[in-house]
Amino acid sequence: SQELEQSPQSLIVQEGKNLTINCTSSKTLYGLYWYKQKYGEGLIFLMMLQKGGEEKSHEKITAKLDEKKQQSSLHITASQPSHAGIYLCGADGGNQGGKLIFGQGTELSVKP
Amino acid sequence: DTGVSQDPRHKITKRGQNVTFRCDPISEHNRLYWYRQTLGQGPEFLTYFQNEAQLEKSRLLSDRFSAERPKGSFSTLEIQRTEQGDSAMYLCASPGLAGYNEQFFGPGTRLTVL
Repeated sequence: SQELEQSPQSLIVQEGKNLTINCTSSKTLYGLYWYKQKYGEGLIFLMMLQKGGEEKSHEKITAKLDEKKQQSSLHITASQPSHAGIYLCGADGGNQGGKLIFGQGTELSVKP
Repeated sequence: DTGVSQDPRHKITKRGQNVTFRCDPISEHNRLYWYRQTLGQGPEFLTYFQNEAQLEKSRLLSDRFSAERPKGSFSTLEIQRTEQGDSAMYLCASPGLAGYNEQFFGPGTRLTVL
């Protein structure tokens, strides 16, 4: 079965610094999804990547999917306290049902 | 607000009691997904519906769990004879317009079993 590994598991950065979160899949990715979660709340959809080499940006967050479609990275530029939370990568479960398989999450804290 | 609502937001129960959660998805979508998330982990798939039909169930969904989606609208997840290991956040998701995998999640129901 497919597994997603995220690194680092947690991250503390100073406000204004850049950071990168990685997501590595045990199998080829047919769809990679990034979500953000505030503690105790539901997941907020950020971006979806499907093609090898694809890159998408939203505000100060950029996500990339490598050419081999087994790794993705999420980069935040000039971090702000509002970026704090848990970032989760999810992948298409591989059957036609549309279920998502998630990594364990990366907890980001941004110090003002 | 994703348009997906869940009720209740929090539930505290004693071991052995039954609990039921409700999810109201984005109305125009025929699929609905349930996930469970424990502390420090990503969500794990439990089951999904297409309209009123339950099409897939995870091995995580033991016999004590049952889910329904009458009339293909809202869904309920019931846990019978709760155990402390059932304590988790239960999340419901509904697809967006881009396809089944762009899933929009509700705020979740946090279950604590004492």
